[in-house]
Parts: sequence; C-alpha cells; structure tokens
Amino acid sequence: EAQVTQNPRYLITVTGKKLTVTCSQNMNHEYMSWYRQDPGLGLRQIYYSMNVEVTDKGDVPEGYKVSRKEKRNFPLILESPSPNQTSLYFCASSLTGTGGFQPQHFGDGTRLSIL
Amino acid sequence: GQQVMQIPQYQHVQEGEDFTTYCNSSTTLSNIQWYKQRPGGHPVFLIQLVKSGEVKKQKRLTFQFGEAKKNSSLHITATQTTDVGTYFCAGGGSNYKLTFGKGTLLTVNP
Repeated sequence: EAQVTQNPRYLITVTGKKLTVTCSQNMNHEYMSWYRQDPGLGLRQIYYSMNVEVTDKGDVPEGYKVSRKEKRNFPLILESPSPNQTSLYFCASSLTGTGGFQPQHFGDGTRLSIL
Repeated sequence: GQQVMQIPQYQHVQEGEDFTTYCNSSTTLSNIQWYKQRPGGHPVFLIQLVKSGEVKKQKRLTFQFGEAKKNSSLHITATQTTDVGTYFCAGGGSNYKLTFGKGTLLTVNP
C-alpha cells in the first residue's frame, strides 16, 4: 500500500531534549516536505527536499533541521525543542516533474507537546 | 515571499446550501492544488489546476483558477454532512515551494 509513515504519532517531551520525527515513503517520490499545523495558522512549510541531498528552507525553518540521505526517508530533527514548537506535524511526499507540482501525499501526523 | 490568503476562515451552512471558499495569491502561481482535511485526519488531495481560467468539476465540487493565475475558488453545491472538514488551497511558486492557505473550516448542520 502506498503510504507516508511518520513516527512517533504522539510525543510529550521536555524543553531542550533533542528529538527526531521520522518520515518514510514507499512511492519512490523525489519531493518530500515537512509542515506544521497550528490553529488559525493553517499548514506552514518547515523544510522541503527536491531529491537526495537537496534540501531547502520553507517558511518557518528556525529551530528545525532535516536531512535527506536516502530517497525514502526525510527525518525532522529538533536539536533543542522549545514550547513554541508544540504543534501537529505532517510529512508529505510527491513526484516532481514538468508543469509544476504533483499531488502531495500526507502522513497521518505527529502531535508534539514540549513542556 | 509568496503569500496565499484564503477566505472565509469558517463557514457554517445548513445541509443542502451551497458553499464557496476563495484563495488569493500575492504572486502569479504555476498551479494551485486543493485539499480536504477531515477532523482528526490529514490533508487529502482533491485536485490540481494548472491553466489560466481552468474549471474542473468533481460531482458537486467545482474548482476554478483565475485568468491571471493569482486566485482560485472551490464551490460545493448542495452540501452534505460528509462535506464537513477544512478545505485548503496550496499555490505552487518558484523553487518548487508550495504555500498553503490557512484553510476554511466547513461545518454542516443536518
């Protein structure tokens, strides 16, 4: 089954404790991205990756890191989490190609609470 | 940077009434996508519009892309309770950057 898998689904942690949210897709997609969703603010892009070893900042990259060492994986790293990073996070992937974007396939989301 | 504004933020309708949400971009878009997110779920792709003035239909849903490729709309005819959720537009810009609107939360009273 074609899917984007995020782990963990839920996490409560404390300020300053490094954490990684994993994202994996089995559709051989080149494009992957991370979004955070906050009430009243919609979906805001954190980082995106056009392909392996190619990443770029989205609209709200501060406090986050990503890596794209393999095509299928795109982990989101919070080196020193702070309470303002409490949010619902979505990973998404898609093919790239001529004519712009392709449909984004979203994971089920990761709800992070940072105390 | 590119901004995509979406209105209204909320819309409550009686079942059977029509519903429209609008998207406006500060820059010309390469394309626009629409997504639906059910409560507690993740965004699910509905459709993509690429051409200036394009109109596409999916059953009771009609999607339009403006002539200048800076605005778009989603219209639902005769809403049903299954239409409940948040509808997002997402505009494609340069550098493969996709910018989402803040979404319109639709609630339907049966």
